[in-house]
Amino acid sequence: DAGITQSPRHKVTETGTPVTLRCHQTENHRYMYWYRQDPGHGLRLIHYSYGVKDTDKGEVSDGYSVSRSKTEDFLLTLESATSSQTSVYFCAIKSSRDGQPQHFGDGTRLSIL
Amino acid sequence: DAKTTQPPSMDCAEGRAANLPCNHSTISGNEYVYWYRQIHSQGPQYIIHGLKNNETNEMASLIITEDRKSSTLILPHATLRDTAVYYCIVRAVNFGNEKLTFGTGTRLTIIP
Repeated sequence: DAGITQSPRHKVTETGTPVTLRCHQTENHRYMYWYRQDPGHGLRLIHYSYGVKDTDKGEVSDGYSVSRSKTEDFLLTLESATSSQTSVYFCAIKSSRDGQPQHFGDGTRLSIL
Repeated sequence: DAKTTQPPSMDCAEGRAANLPCNHSTISGNEYVYWYRQIHSQGPQYIIHGLKNNETNEMASLIITEDRKSSTLILPHATLRDTAVYYCIVRAVNFGNEKLTFGTGTRLTIIP
C-alpha cells in the first residue's frame, strides 16, 4: 500500500470553528490532492499541489485553503467550518512518472454540527 | 476527458471470474484507462491501468479492445472481499495537473 496517512480519521466539530486535516506521505511523490466525497456527487477535487509551496484550486475550493511546506505534508484547512462541509475527505498522491496512478489514503470523516 | 459508461450493478459467484465492462467510445489517443475500486467507505484503491495493450498484475487483468472504445476488467477468481464499487476512469496524462472524475461505477457483489 502507498505510504499515506491521514489524520485525524474522525472529527466532530461545531460550525464556525477552524479545522485542519493532515495528509502525510512517505513516498516522496511530487503531486498531492485533496478530494471530498458526498452521496450523489462522487469524489470532487478541492485543491492539489505540484510541489512544495505550489498549489492550485480544484472544482470545489471555496471555503478551503491548503499549504505544503514540506514534500511529505499537505494540509487542508477549513477556516470557518460550515455544515455543508460535512463530508469524507480523501488525500491522494502521485508520482511524477508518466501515466502513474493516484493512490488514496483511508480518509477523514468530518462532521460539522 | 472521455466519458465512461458502466453497468450500475453486477453479481458474480465466488471463485468465478468477474468481468466488468466499461465503454469509453470517445477516448483520445493520449488517454489512459484506469480502474479503481472502493470498498465501503475506504479510500479508492488503484487496481490497474493501460493505454493500448492488455495489462495484468497481481490483482486483475485489463483487456482493451483494438479500437480502444471499450475495456474489461477481469478479476480471475473472485472472493467475497472483492465486493465493492468499481470505477473505470479515462484520463489524459498532464504532468500531474489532473483530477480523476469518478462516475457512479459498477457495484459488484460476490455471491457465496
